[in-house]
Amino acid sequence: GENVEQHPSTLSVQEGDSAVIKCTYSDSASNYFPWYKQELGKGPQLIIDIRSNVGEKKDQRIAVTLNKTAKHFSLHITETQPEDSAVYFCAATPLGNSGYALNFGKGTSLLVTP
Amino acid sequence: GAVVSQHPSRVICKSGTSVKIECRSLDFQATTMFWYRQFPKQSLMLMATSNEGSKATYEQGVEKDKFLINHASLTLSTLTVTSAHPEDSSFYICSAPRTGESNEQFFGPGTRLTVL
Repeated sequence: GENVEQHPSTLSVQEGDSAVIKCTYSDSASNYFPWYKQELGKGPQLIIDIRSNVGEKKDQRIAVTLNKTAKHFSLHITETQPEDSAVYFCAATPLGNSGYALNFGKGTSLLVTP
Repeated sequence: GAVVSQHPSRVICKSGTSVKIECRSLDFQATTMFWYRQFPKQSLMLMATSNEGSKATYEQGVEKDKFLINHASLTLSTLTVTSAHPEDSSFYICSAPRTGESNEQFFGPGTRLTVL
């Protein structure tokens, strides 16, 4: 099955700096890579996703890059703000029409200090 | 975006009792829903896949007789934790993919179960 590794487990940055979280995956059949933000006591919220036919995707301060050859993908948050503080999870899965289960990384606890 | 709800959001029960958690897709139909469990400071672990009109499929190590799943309609899946014990205390989260479009998976807000 798929094995998703995520680093770092904790990350502390100052407000305004950039944050980068990296993930690797093992299953070459995986072709959908979402990133979720989870605040304490809440369910995960999708913040950005990328499919294997794209190398990079950007949405305002958030960007994701994908290297299929190396089987790794990264989340980039620029101009971080205190409200970005949360746990971030990467995931990987083959994308199918009948629904799919996500294989999650272990999460990165991001702290943005004012 | 699509909304998935869960009920209850928080439940405390005595050891040995059963607890039912509901997961609803509010504005789309979901033939498949997923149940995850999350222990403190850990990642989400898939427990089972709930299939409308057929039996759920369980991940290795998850007891199907303890975690009963019923996908009664295209918008509702229920997870019943039977004979709950303190080690079942966890954050239970459901999700539903909206197929046919982006296949994005939408998560519920989670249910915090505490077994005394």
